[in-house]
Amino acid sequence: ETGVTQTPRHLVMGMTNKKSLKCEQHLGHNAMYWYKQSAKKPLELMFVYNFKEQTENNSVPSRFSPECPNSSHLFLHLHTLQPEDSALYLCASSPNRAGNTEAFFGQGTRLTVV
Amino acid sequence: GDSVTQMEGPVTLSEEAFLTINCTYTATGYPSLFWYVQYPGEGLQLLLKATKADDKGSNKGFEATYRKETTSFHLEKGSVQVSDSAVYFCALSDEGGSYIPTFGRGTSLIVHP
Repeated sequence: ETGVTQTPRHLVMGMTNKKSLKCEQHLGHNAMYWYKQSAKKPLELMFVYNFKEQTENNSVPSRFSPECPNSSHLFLHLHTLQPEDSALYLCASSPNRAGNTEAFFGQGTRLTVV
Repeated sequence: GDSVTQMEGPVTLSEEAFLTINCTYTATGYPSLFWYVQYPGEGLQLLLKATKADDKGSNKGFEATYRKETTSFHLEKGSVQVSDSAVYFCALSDEGGSYIPTFGRGTSLIVHP
């Protein structure tokens, strides 16, 4: 148990569906992240939020829409996805200061787009 | 910018073999260095860390020493077990830079009985 909880753990969706991934942390962290992890590829940083404000969007397609209503919750809204979007989506949080700070990860949502 | 380079995997070993996974970094400031481990079906979790030159991080029989002169933080274990099979990520957080951690691409370790 890392203190970061992601739901659901597994999700299968059609290309025309709309779904949302949820991430929750009560570690008092102000920075929250979405990563995509595909087979045989490095971790891809998708979005970063700091104090609920989006600070990074690494050229992510608009079919992925993040939302951060407060510092404890982060969502990733999904719509009209493609099969190549199938991957493990990881949420993480950390203090928003550089240096001796660890990132805490959730267990991920395994997404399959059919 | 900051970057982390890890050796390509997979690394395949027999049980009780010696493990080394190489990691080198570039950073603009003075980074803290981390190793994370990801077991199958799980997220990443911190394995060990070191915050200054010559520090040694250790946990669960794994060790890594912060070498500023060679900008390296190699992960070692004297005798691996099947349960160590996982993906290992080297990472840094640069005190002189962004709070967003920089990760290597990960190295898969497979340990056979």
